[in-house]
Amino acid sequence: DQQVKQNSPSLSVQEGRISILNCDYTNSMFDYFLWYKKYPAEGPTFLISISSIKDKNEDGRFTVFLNKSAKHLSLHIVPSQPGDSAVYFCAATASGTYKYIFGTGTRLKVLA
Amino acid sequence: DTAVSQTPKYLVTQMGNDKSIKCEQNLGHDTMYWYKQDSKKFLKIMFSYNNKELIINETVPNRFSPKSPDKAHLNLHINSLELGDSAVYFCASSQWTSGRETQYFGPGTRLLVL
Repeated sequence: DQQVKQNSPSLSVQEGRISILNCDYTNSMFDYFLWYKKYPAEGPTFLISISSIKDKNEDGRFTVFLNKSAKHLSLHIVPSQPGDSAVYFCAATASGTYKYIFGTGTRLKVLA
Repeated sequence: DTAVSQTPKYLVTQMGNDKSIKCEQNLGHDTMYWYKQDSKKFLKIMFSYNNKELIINETVPNRFSPKSPDKAHLNLHINSLELGDSAVYFCASSQWTSGRETQYFGPGTRLLVL
């Protein structure tokens, strides 16, 4: 019962181009969503989040889009840089539950 | 000035042993968590504590016992270790601020049960 899914296990993108990572969820109670980046042998690092009252949040090169009706969110990285190569996890929670559900991750490789 | 630290970083032990993993955060957060990342790389929540009180226990075997002596610490004790306990265990902390919550993760403890 995977409530948060990242259907692409890996993605390769040329340096300077856009990277688009996708995430789908099933639980309509989720109202807060986060993206994390993880390097090998390190803990996940928070990137960007979005509340369900918004459909877009931007922070520098990173933009998260939320489509509530489709229960879908995406992370756009523009322009992609080699240092962005990592595993990206999306996570979802229902406010006040202290419970985060993580997707299975997408490995992004940015080619120089 | 590490925000969330865990010790040890690596732990290799025999089946049946009892071991502990320690976690400390210096962010002043109220909420702390333990996650397990298994061989398939799924990151699953095990426990969450808010102000030293257990909030979430995600059907984790009772061989796993978290202990929070104060808000800055959440330790994980595991009794009678089994092969299936081999995984990476991550501690995290978080705080709601201005309608937003961010979890900060520790570097992980790689547990290998032989």
